[in-house]
Amino acid sequence: DVKVTQSSRYLVKRTGEKVFLECVQDMDHENMFWYRQDPGLGLRLIYFSYDVKMKEKGDIPEGYSVSREKKERFSLILESASTNQTSMYLCASSLGTPDYEQYFGPGTRLTVT
Amino acid sequence: GNSVTQMEGPVTLSEEAFLTINCTYTATGYPSLFWYVQYPGEGLQLLLKATKADDKGSNKGFEATYRKETTSFHLEKGSVQVSDSAVYFCALSDHPNTGNQFYFGTGTSLTVIP
Repeated sequence: DVKVTQSSRYLVKRTGEKVFLECVQDMDHENMFWYRQDPGLGLRLIYFSYDVKMKEKGDIPEGYSVSREKKERFSLILESASTNQTSMYLCASSLGTPDYEQYFGPGTRLTVT
Repeated sequence: GNSVTQMEGPVTLSEEAFLTINCTYTATGYPSLFWYVQYPGEGLQLLLKATKADDKGSNKGFEATYRKETTSFHLEKGSVQVSDSAVYFCALSDHPNTGNQFYFGTGTSLTVIP
């Protein structure tokens, strides 16, 4: 079974802190994704990556950056956390051709106070 | 552009009732279509998928048929159980036009009462 793990289930940070969210997948997937999930807005794509050291902006990249130094690990970085970044963050991975199914981690509930 | 529209919730049903959650899409190419389910406190899991027109995806008693003429992929189940209570997301992948990117609907919350 594909497994996607995220470093924390719950995280509380203060405004202005630098925050790292880690995601690891164990199936040698090429593609990895970071979403945020908010009530009434569904899932919104923040960043994605097709390969090591490659990254692409999604729909809402402002205030975030990412790092992919190894194929299995994709990190989301909040450079200076703000209260409007309080959300559920979901990581996903996919193999790509020919199977585009995305496999999700359990999510990190981040609260910025 | 690509987008997915699904019926708003929340939906509350009694056990053994029939379920339909509507989903329509807009895509520039020939997308693959997916239904994901999110149980409380968990991430999303794939429920079913269809990769071309007229395909029917099915799993755990749920079904959805890819209708190109109506650009729809409605989720149905004949008899829901309390354990089906979750949030359901319709999604599309429009490879190769948009790489491996997915487009998700806003989710429909389902509560099944005994």
